[in-house]
Amino acid sequence: EAGVAQSPRYKIIEKRQSVAFWCNPISGHATLYWYQQILGQGPKLLIQFQNNGVVDDSQLPKDRFSAERLKGVDSTLKIQPAKLEDSAVYLCASSLAGWGTEAFFGQGTRLTVV
Amino acid sequence: QKEVEQNSGPLSVPEGAIASLNCTYSDRGSQSFFWYRQYSGKSPELIMFIYSNGDKEDGRFTAQLNKASQYVSLLIRDSQPSDSATYLCAVIGDSSYKLIFGSGTRLLVRP
Repeated sequence: EAGVAQSPRYKIIEKRQSVAFWCNPISGHATLYWYQQILGQGPKLLIQFQNNGVVDDSQLPKDRFSAERLKGVDSTLKIQPAKLEDSAVYLCASSLAGWGTEAFFGQGTRLTVV
Repeated sequence: QKEVEQNSGPLSVPEGAIASLNCTYSDRGSQSFFWYRQYSGKSPELIMFIYSNGDKEDGRFTAQLNKASQYVSLLIRDSQPSDSATYLCAVIGDSSYKLIFGSGTRLLVRP
């Protein structure tokens, strides 16, 4: 069974530029998560999808971050414009149903904003 | 109050000892609890999950859940240097089904 796929693995951009990350969850997984992990901290939930609907996006900085999950399968997370403090690893995870089922993570995208 | 709290550590134990990692959560209605291990530069990987009060054992790992005290722990028996990593506690809340992580506890197992 293929795992969660993310791309790119690494990205370096200048502040005020835009960037997009892509995630393809495990086949059949209804729930998809995007997390931001700053060095030395735990993953912070940015947005959680159930199929193509948003379960929670309370921690998503909506003035600069956006996310969508087309047709309830793969997802993109966009930052526009980027700030220095957005430098982090962006992790995508998926789970079968969300409630009560374990989440599996992709390898993450390491973003550096200079 | 943070939704999921962990001591950041580092927790240092000698090889062969029992490592005890603790986590508290704020949503009393939470139903699902997970322990993930994260090596430096890698993504979190699931170690165990627990849904019911009591203990759940899997090899050298035991998860313990006490919903009345809103407390979940992970015991690692016969700790090995390869267990050195950050251990993340994660909880699914009752009302929103959000999967929320703690800040993690760094474990160091000394040879």
